[in-house]
Amino acid sequence: EVQLVQSGAEVKKPGETLKISCQGSRNIFTGYWIGWVRQMPGQGLEWMGMVFHGDSDTRYSPSFEGQVTMSADRSVTTIYLQWSSLKASDTAVYYCARHVASGNYYYMDVWGEGTKVTVSS
Amino acid sequence: ETVMTQSPATLSVSPGERATLSCWASQSVSTNLAWYQLKPGQTPRLLIYGASSRATAIPARFSGSGSGTEFTLTITSLQSEDFAVYSCQQYNNWPVTFGQGTKVEIK
Repeated sequence: EVQLVQSGAEVKKPGETLKISCQGSRNIFTGYWIGWVRQMPGQGLEWMGMVFHGDSDTRYSPSFEGQVTMSADRSVTTIYLQWSSLKASDTAVYYCARHVASGNYYYMDVWGEGTKVTVSS
Repeated sequence: ETVMTQSPATLSVSPGERATLSCWASQSVSTNLAWYQLKPGQTPRLLIYGASSRATAIPARFSGSGSGTEFTLTITSLQSEDFAVYSCQQYNNWPVTFGQGTKVEIK
C-alpha cells in the first residue's frame, strides 16, 4: 500500500525546538517532491513547502520561508519539518503529502495522517 | 498570491440529495485545480485534479467542472461517508494555495 507515516503528536513550550517526520516506502518517494501542509485550528489548509527526496532540494512558500526548515534523509526515506524556536501560533496539524507535477506546479495525491503540534506555556 | 474562495462555508444536505460546491480564484488558474476531502482524524483524500479528472478509486458521484476562475464540485446522491469538509487547491500560480473549505453536513 502506498502511504506516508508521520510521527506522533507533540506538546511543546514556546521557544523550544521541534522536528517532525514523514516516512514512506522508497517507491512513493522516488522522483517526487514531498511537501508539508499546515492546518491551524478551525482554518483551511496552507501549503508550506516541499523537499525533493532525491537531492534534498527545497522550495518554500514565501509565508513560511525562514520560519521552518525542511530536509530529507535518503537512507531512511524520510522527510522532516523542523522549528528552531516554536511559537504558540505554530499550533496546528501538519500534513505531509506527495506532490504530483501537473500544469505549472503540483497537486497532492498521497497524504500522511497528520501530526498535531501544540505549543503552549 | 492567488486567493481561493469557497462557497458556501457550510452546506446542509439530506442523504441521497445533490451537493454543489463552488470555488473561485482571484486570478486565472486555467484548469490547474484540485479538490480534496477532509475528515477529522483521517488522511485527506484527493478527489479531483485537472478541474474535472477523478483520482484513483473516487466514485463517479463526484464530479468537477470549470476553468479560469470559477469551479464546481458536484456530489450526486450524497452517501453518509460524504459528509466532510471539501477544499479546493490551485496549482497554476506560485505558491499553490487552498480555499478555506466547505463543510457538507447532514440536514
